[in-house]
Amino acid sequence: AQSVTQLDSQVPVFEEAPVELRCNYSSSVSVYLFWYVQYPNQGLQLLLKYLSGSTLVESINGFEAEFNKSQTSFHLRKPSVHISDTAEYFCAVSDKVKAAGNKLTFGGGTRVLVKP
Amino acid sequence: DAGVTQSPTHLIKTRGQHVTLRCSPISGHKSVSWYQQVLGQGPQFIFQYYEKEERGRGNFPDRFSARQFPNYSSELNVNALLLGDSALYLCASSLFLQGNQPQHFGDGTRLSIL
Repeated sequence: AQSVTQLDSQVPVFEEAPVELRCNYSSSVSVYLFWYVQYPNQGLQLLLKYLSGSTLVESINGFEAEFNKSQTSFHLRKPSVHISDTAEYFCAVSDKVKAAGNKLTFGGGTRVLVKP
Repeated sequence: DAGVTQSPTHLIKTRGQHVTLRCSPISGHKSVSWYQQVLGQGPQFIFQYYEKEERGRGNFPDRFSARQFPNYSSELNVNALLLGDSALYLCASSLFLQGNQPQHFGDGTRLSIL
């Protein structure tokens, strides 16, 4: 069984300030890690993923996340946010066990509100 | 290329009715998954299909069923609707089933039960 905990349900932040969204997971097997973003009235878009290798992964729009195996965390950061980053962000995991497929277990989401 | 498409976008039903939601995956994707997202929560896994076979099922009652067609499109059926079934239903597709394959989501069908 797996679970994902996003420690902050809402994060208000001023434009051009940094933001960190925290994600911790629990799993009996090794997992792949993902961050998805959901804009109002839309589906989820993949932001970035950690599969293997370097524990720091980056997205094309300035977000980065670091996998910490010992702390079972995958926190998301952005050094300077824009108004357009206002959205809900979901952390998710999938099993590395082949028979499990690639179904995702999601956290409860963190709503980011960027203020001017 | 078109992304994952879902229909209808919105639906209003009353308790006890039946509903069918439809999903077309990205061209070439063989796996389709369904998720339920209740307002204010993260998506919950319902079903996964690959090559027309059910390959995973979440903790949902038997009122929920699904199938995948030869063209890899999929339907989610829900019988005897309850107020608690009100949610955004998301369909996602991927090329294969391996855990490192990211899922690509449609914009969802918003189902409201009166």
